[in-house]
Amino acid sequence: GENVEQHPSTLSVQEGDSAVIKCTYSDSASNYFPWYKQELGKRPQLIIDIRSNVGEKKDQRIAVTLNKTAKHFSLHITETQPEDSAVYFCAAYGDPGTASKLTFGTGTRLQVTL
Amino acid sequence: DAGVTQSPTHLIKTRGQQVTLRCSPKSGHDTVSWYQQALGQGPQFIFQYYEEEERQRGNFPDRFSGHQFPNYSSELNVNALLLGDSALYLCASSLGGLAGGQDTQYFGPGTRLTVL
Repeated sequence: GENVEQHPSTLSVQEGDSAVIKCTYSDSASNYFPWYKQELGKRPQLIIDIRSNVGEKKDQRIAVTLNKTAKHFSLHITETQPEDSAVYFCAAYGDPGTASKLTFGTGTRLQVTL
Repeated sequence: DAGVTQSPTHLIKTRGQQVTLRCSPKSGHDTVSWYQQALGQGPQFIFQYYEEEERQRGNFPDRFSGHQFPNYSSELNVNALLLGDSALYLCASSLGGLAGGQDTQYFGPGTRLTVL
């Protein structure tokens, strides 16, 4: 089955700096890659996603890149703010015709300091 | 537009007991997936329901079962509770099941289950 690895497990940046979180996946059939932000005690919230037919997607301060050949994708947050502090999860979703399910990484705890 | 809702918010049970958790999907969605999130971990897929049938299952024992109703709401049942079942149980709704459609999943607030 699909295996998603996520790095780093913790990340501390100063306000205004950029943050990058990286994930790799194992199933070449995976074709959808969402990123979720989870604040303490709250539900995971979708912040951005990318499908296999594009290499990059941007939404204001957040961008995601995908390299299907290398089977890795990354989340980029620019001009970080204290409210960006949370746990971020990457996930991969496989081919609907096969064993399709959303497999999550282990999470990255991002701390944005003043 | 109502988002995904879950009940109850918190639940405390003892080992060996049975529990039922409930989920109502986002308006317009017809597919419900259940996840278990242990403390400090990412959500782990339990199963997915579409058209009132279990369409996909993760690596969870048969003690975990579910149901989907005609209005698309869903229940997760866990029998013979173990201490290790203590976790946040999340449901997520989407549209179109496994055979295409939109696979974007939106999560509910979760049910925190504590097994003593």
